[in-house]
Amino acid sequence: KQEVTQIPAALSVPEGENLVLNCSFTDSAIYNLQWFRQDPGKGLTSLLLIQSSQREQTSGRLNASLDKSSGRSTLYIAASQPGDSATYLCAVLGQGAQKLVFGQGTRLTINP
Amino acid sequence: GAVVSQHPSRVICKSGTSVKIECRSLDFQATTMFWYRQFPKQSLMLMATSNEGSKATYEQGVEKDKFLINHASLTLSTLTVTSAHPEDSSFYICSGGVSDTQYFGPGTRLTVL
Repeated sequence: KQEVTQIPAALSVPEGENLVLNCSFTDSAIYNLQWFRQDPGKGLTSLLLIQSSQREQTSGRLNASLDKSSGRSTLYIAASQPGDSATYLCAVLGQGAQKLVFGQGTRLTINP
Repeated sequence: GAVVSQHPSRVICKSGTSVKIECRSLDFQATTMFWYRQFPKQSLMLMATSNEGSKATYEQGVEKDKFLINHASLTLSTLTVTSAHPEDSSFYICSGGVSDTQYFGPGTRLTVL
């Protein structure tokens, strides 16, 4: 059974800093991995999707990496801004599976 | 990108009543839709997988008679919480699948008094 873990559970940093969020998964047989953002009381916004054959994906100040063999992914946020404050969730789609397995999320707070 | 809507966005009801939540894919056809539940400060928990024209597949521990799912068309799935109780209060999110990507709705906040 796939399990996804995110560390840390919460993170607070001053504005302008670069930061890394971590995601690990127990079964390396994945189809893809996705990072989402969730604002309080809102739905999910997809940030980046990495296919199993890819090593990383970039969008603006965000960079996500994937090391399938070690079961790890990182989300790097450059030059953080208060507007980046949200909960970040990673989720994996197993090979042949329909359903996503989510991590517990990291609550990020960027202090002005 | 593909858009999924949910209605209502927020609902408050009395204990014992039933509540229906709609999930629509606005610009794509979703043969499969997923229903999630999220408690405060926790992650999403998959409740069931809804396939158009067939019965939903429920995750272990989810009561299918309490959470009725209907996926009558390629753009609409509904979740009915029957005889709701305060412990059913939660944030319910649906998603629709296209290929290997899921698109999520904005969620429905259910409060049962």
